[in-house]
Amino acid sequence: DAMVIQNPRYQVTQFGKPVTLSCSQTLNHNVMYWYQQKSSQAPKLLFHYYDKDFNNEADTPDNFQSRRPNTSFCFLDIRSPGLGDAAMYLCATSREAADTQYFGPGTRLTVL
Amino acid sequence: GQSLEQPSEVTAVEGAIVQINCTYQTSGFYGLSWYQQHDGGAPTFLSYNALDGLEETGRFSSFLSRSDSYGYLLLQELQMKDSASYFCAVEGKDYGQNFVFGPGTRLSVLP
Repeated sequence: DAMVIQNPRYQVTQFGKPVTLSCSQTLNHNVMYWYQQKSSQAPKLLFHYYDKDFNNEADTPDNFQSRRPNTSFCFLDIRSPGLGDAAMYLCATSREAADTQYFGPGTRLTVL
Repeated sequence: GQSLEQPSEVTAVEGAIVQINCTYQTSGFYGLSWYQQHDGGAPTFLSYNALDGLEETGRFSSFLSRSDSYGYLLLQELQMKDSASYFCAVEGKDYGQNFVFGPGTRLSVLP
């Protein structure tokens, strides 16, 4: 059974049109992460939640926001997608900070 | 902040042993992790070193030397399915640098 679920798997949006990606987990983990991964590059952490405590990486653009309404769900909002935001977006969870991270299958975002 | 370096590509044959190195610069971190990612797939956890020394998990082993700012992943008895990208990663103690992946090493296993 899938433990970290991301929907949709593929998302197409237009330049400047807001888009929301979703992530859910059945592991009851405290920490949820959002990463951006571009082709042939490493995943880059955008932000993470420890429970309801939000932690933004220093270089994450303001265009990216996140919400975690409860333990199971976390959303990534891109307010005004640019062509440079086309990438794979990966959600991950861990039981505690510095624990093993479990990744979802990712959502591939295309910006037209 | 943190920065990590890995070789970009490594090639080996089935049954061989390969070592993927990771050097890093960081002001402080909790441990060094290794993740595997197949093309089109998500990263999956392989190994973690919080302390110096060798950690062994089946065919995979990982090593950390904090004094040398160096670690490596050792893959033994290589199989074709081991062809993938391998990332080292550190969980930093600095604000705003929570978890940083290295650039990744693409391993190709040849028959």
